[in-house]
Amino acid sequence: DTGVSQDPRHKITKRGQNVTFRCDPISEHNRLYWYRQTLGQGPEFLTYFQNEAQLEKSRLLSDRFSAERPKGSFSTLEIQRTEQGDSAMYLCASSPPAGSNTEAFFGQGTRLTVV
Amino acid sequence: QKEVEQNSGPLSVPEGAIASLNCTYSDRVSQSFFWYRQYSGKSPELIMSIYSNGDKEDGRFTAQLNKASQYVSLLIRDSQPSDSATYLCAVNIRARNTGGFKTIFGAGTRLFVKA
Repeated sequence: DTGVSQDPRHKITKRGQNVTFRCDPISEHNRLYWYRQTLGQGPEFLTYFQNEAQLEKSRLLSDRFSAERPKGSFSTLEIQRTEQGDSAMYLCASSPPAGSNTEAFFGQGTRLTVV
Repeated sequence: QKEVEQNSGPLSVPEGAIASLNCTYSDRVSQSFFWYRQYSGKSPELIMSIYSNGDKEDGRFTAQLNKASQYVSLLIRDSQPSDSATYLCAVNIRARNTGGFKTIFGAGTRLFVKA
């Protein structure tokens, strides 16, 4: 396992369609994060998991967004009824179980374009 | 007040100079602080972490932390054109209602190193 893996790398979809992204974290990492990044901005926190538990979801996230991590390993992020404003880079990161002194490592991201 | 704040720049320095990047954070109990570098179109890459007040040096990079002032900085000595990138400050902030921590990013500072 060489790092965090995300699939697909790129996704173009029509407005109104549903999309699902997958993230495979570093195998010994129990914490997994999803972020969204638009041009000129830092990564915006969406949600994070510790094992299979979703511990927090951003208040800014609409109900169209849902994330799962059913077995505490890989995670999926689904966006329903996509809108043009959803176009962004979706980044997944994972970090090891070590209290608060942990470093998050990123995957290469999924770039979503909604047309 | 944003949880993590950075000057967006751009910061322009000549080759060989020292680049100084600054960051402030809002959560007084934060204990873990990170600097990431992000090249255009790529995902963030961890370059430094710091957990204790004072300085931490790694090659040409020095991270500085002052918890009393809620301030963290990154110095890049002998700046090279290849250092031109966006530098993201990240802080572990208390998560809502769980007692855990989540990693939150600033908007990033764009650095240009002129040859």
